[in-house]
Amino acid sequence: NAGVTQTPKFQVLKTGQSMTLQCAQDMNHEYMSWYRQDPGMGLRLIHYSVGAGITDQGEVPNGYNVSRSTTEDFPLRLLSAAPSQTSVYFCATAGTGWGDTEAFFGQGTRLTVV
Amino acid sequence: TQLLEQSPQFLSIQEGENLTVYCNSSSVFSSLQWYRQEPGEGPVLLVTVVTGGEVKKLKRLTFQFGDARKDSSLHITAAQPGDTGLYLCAGDTDTGNQFYFGTGTSLTVIP
Repeated sequence: NAGVTQTPKFQVLKTGQSMTLQCAQDMNHEYMSWYRQDPGMGLRLIHYSVGAGITDQGEVPNGYNVSRSTTEDFPLRLLSAAPSQTSVYFCATAGTGWGDTEAFFGQGTRLTVV
Repeated sequence: TQLLEQSPQFLSIQEGENLTVYCNSSSVFSSLQWYRQEPGEGPVLLVTVVTGGEVKKLKRLTFQFGDARKDSSLHITAAQPGDTGLYLCAGDTDTGNQFYFGTGTSLTVIP
């Protein structure tokens, strides 16, 4: 029972580099989302998707791209990494919208940009 | 500016004490959830409240949703070291597609 799998768990990037954070789920959930977590700020929504082929912006989308070609996968791309993107990133999924259903989180990716 | 503000940000108490964590907003939420997060892990759902004034109990934890659906509280009775963690509230304002998280309350229960 994998649930929500994020890779990698840790990553160090140099300023200006690009990379993709992977998120895969085996629960057949329609809803997937990416959050970043910074001290004292809780989790902030970056992008979300309500189904394959559909994505939308959250609170803090600048500097990030997403795509949803399959139900299972929702990669997050950093186009040109900046020190301000140093954070812990979480992928979360839910059956439909979150209002009346449980969300499941991956274990997180700790990203440091130097 | 965070949509959901939690207080206190940090809380350190002795085992056996009671505590209350608050989650406040100027916005109305369709539903509100409470999560608990341990170091190195993702948040795990504790409860969902959807009706103004609703009270839910989960063993020693009591959750309340404000009448106006703008605020919520989490009360823990007789705290135990296993309750240690980061507590997060999260709310759905309208469509259910954007779930906003609070600023978090870091709880430490000392044996």
